[in-house]
Amino acid sequence: NAGVMQNPRHLVRRRGQEARLRCSPMKGHSHVYWYRQLPEEGLKFMVYLQKENIIDESGMPKERFSAEFPKEGPSILRIQQVVRGDSAAYFCASSPWEGSSYEQYFGPGTRLTVT
Amino acid sequence: DQQVKQNSPSLSVQEGRISILNCDYTNSMFDYFLWYKKYPAEGPTFLISISSIKDKNEDGRFTVFLNKSAKHLSLHIVPSQPGDSAVYFCAASVGTGGFKTIFGAGTRLFVKA
Repeated sequence: NAGVMQNPRHLVRRRGQEARLRCSPMKGHSHVYWYRQLPEEGLKFMVYLQKENIIDESGMPKERFSAEFPKEGPSILRIQQVVRGDSAAYFCASSPWEGSSYEQYFGPGTRLTVT
Repeated sequence: DQQVKQNSPSLSVQEGRISILNCDYTNSMFDYFLWYKKYPAEGPTFLISISSIKDKNEDGRFTVFLNKSAKHLSLHIVPSQPGDSAVYFCAASVGTGGFKTIFGAGTRLFVKA
């Protein structure tokens, strides 16, 4: 009964490269949320997806960032042309339904470092 | 614009004593509050929550108190154990269906044996 899985756990990219972060939700969960945690700050909501649909992306920067959750496979958060300010921990959470906040189960996170 | 603030970055407590973690919020629309616990290299895990219609919720050694007039909540851990050493995030949302949960910056708790 695996929990939410994220890979890679650590990712180093040079400025201008692309970063792809993957999230496999818990079995039976069809709702995925991405959060970003900058140093010394709390988790900030980025995007909420259901299978094949973006429900809310109001927390995601308009440029360079995109997310998808295809019918098959993991959810992907893609950051194009990374900059140093993108260095952060990115957490994915999943839930079985768009319900209570505590129903979100978090993955271990991907720590992105941009050099 | 920090809507949820945890002003103490860290707290150190002796094993067996009470740990009190504090949280303040500014948005009066928040009506559901949560505490998450996070160990290194792991994602946050839900600990306890409280609705704004209550002023106290208890679960074993963990109690959350809510003071709506002061826009303040606190998490009490009694007795504290070394395994409680972690980062604790306070979070708030509008309604329990709120996926746009707002998190505080966290307080790192050290429980000394």
